[in-house]
Amino acid sequence: GAGVSQSPRYKVAKRGQDVALRCDPISGHVSLFWYQQALGQGPEFLTYFQNEAQLDKSGLPSDRFFAERPEGSVSTLKIQRTQQEDSAVYLCASSLGAWLNNEKLFFGSGTQLSVL
Amino acid sequence: GQQLNQSPQSMFIQEGEDVSMNCTSSSIFNTWLWYKQDPGEGPVLLIALYKAGELTSNGRLTAQFGITRKDSFLNISASIPSDVGIYFCAGQRLPNNAGNMLTFGGGTRLMVKP
Repeated sequence: GAGVSQSPRYKVAKRGQDVALRCDPISGHVSLFWYQQALGQGPEFLTYFQNEAQLDKSGLPSDRFFAERPEGSVSTLKIQRTQQEDSAVYLCASSLGAWLNNEKLFFGSGTQLSVL
Repeated sequence: GQQLNQSPQSMFIQEGEDVSMNCTSSSIFNTWLWYKQDPGEGPVLLIALYKAGELTSNGRLTAQFGITRKDSFLNISASIPSDVGIYFCAGQRLPNNAGNMLTFGGGTRLMVKP
């Protein structure tokens, strides 16, 4: 596709439910990032992939959060046993090359997760 | 939480007026970026700054990388209704490796009176 595609756009989950959020980066982009954006806040880094390798997961808030990119293209962010504090917009971004200076990040429209 | 302090948090301006917003940090960054986010969309890059003291323009937008490497400002001249949105600054530290992702400010919500 022309841009970064995320699905679903909206997800409502009951507390304790597992959810899976999907990201289709721009074709051929090496780097893929997940960010969490709480209401009224700026995005906060969760994790980074270079191809299929997860090089940085320091931003994942707990072991309930898990991300994968098994074939170096589509990525899935999974949240187990969702809690109300997990409610946020989850943004995916990709860039053409490895994460170096001067790389431009392209963001998707995000998945808005609401945990009731 | 955010390590970049962005101000103002929100502002109403009259169409045609100039706008100024800034971002400060207690830490040094080697790259400053400014993004705009429309409702229901992801952030879109407006301007990127790579050198201390650098002043860069993109149409009606002008941004500067502070000489101390701890701050940056964004100016919008002659604002129009489509400038409405949330503007975020973002910084990246040295060294530039997988462990140095972008840190975003809290955003400035710009609202324009037509």
